Amino acid sequence: NAGVTQTPKFQVLKTGQSMTLQCAQDMNHEYMSWYRQDPGMGLRLIHYSVGAGITDQGEVPNGYNVSRSTTEDFPLRLLSAAPSQTSVYFCASSEQGADGYTFGSGTRLTVV
Amino acid sequence: LAKTTQPISMDSYEGQEVNITCSHNNIATNDYITWYQQFPSQGPRFIIQGYKTKVTNEVASLFIPADRKSSTLSLPRVSLSDTAVYYCLVGDMIGQGNQGGKLIFGQGTELSVKP
Repeated sequence: NAGVTQTPKFQVLKTGQSMTLQCAQDMNHEYMSWYRQDPGMGLRLIHYSVGAGITDQGEVPNGYNVSRSTTEDFPLRLLSAAPSQTSVYFCASSEQGADGYTFGSGTRLTVV
Repeated sequence: LAKTTQPISMDSYEGQEVNITCSHNNIATNDYITWYQQFPSQGPRFIIQGYKTKVTNEVASLFIPADRKSSTLSLPRVSLSDTAVYYCLVGDMIGQGNQGGKLIFGQGTELSVKP
């Protein structure tokens, strides 16, 4: 099993560009979440999903969209990138009722 | 969602037992308590989860008093490789409430283990 796979690992965007961060898991987990982590800070929840077709906002959803058309995939879309969105983005998944989330290795995004 | 409060940092020496206490006064009935470990440039890694009393696995122990308003992560005989940030979270992992699966991270505790 590959676990939680995030692509790309690194990305540089210009202000105003849009892009999609990909997240896929092969563990048939119902729960998936996106977090961002700024330097020296804790993780902040952007959006989360409790199953295919069901998403909800986290702490910092502005500027990001998500969809969950399949159990396996949970892409995060940046609509119009801003320098304030420079961060490391982590995707995570969990089985409902199970012990904890499994995190991906992260996408390091720089917006210039 | 219940907010958690932890010490910002702790220092220890190799071979010592480390106890990190987390306060979560507003924990809900459906909430579980989960601890994660994060090394620099890596995603958090699940350590242990519990609902009440004591839970032990090969890595740590988790002590939860009857009122569940706090919890203590115990790391036995730490080594230099245990230097990391430790996060305490509370959340509904069973999904019985309308916040199922939603986990909010706090600032965490930066543990430094010295030789």
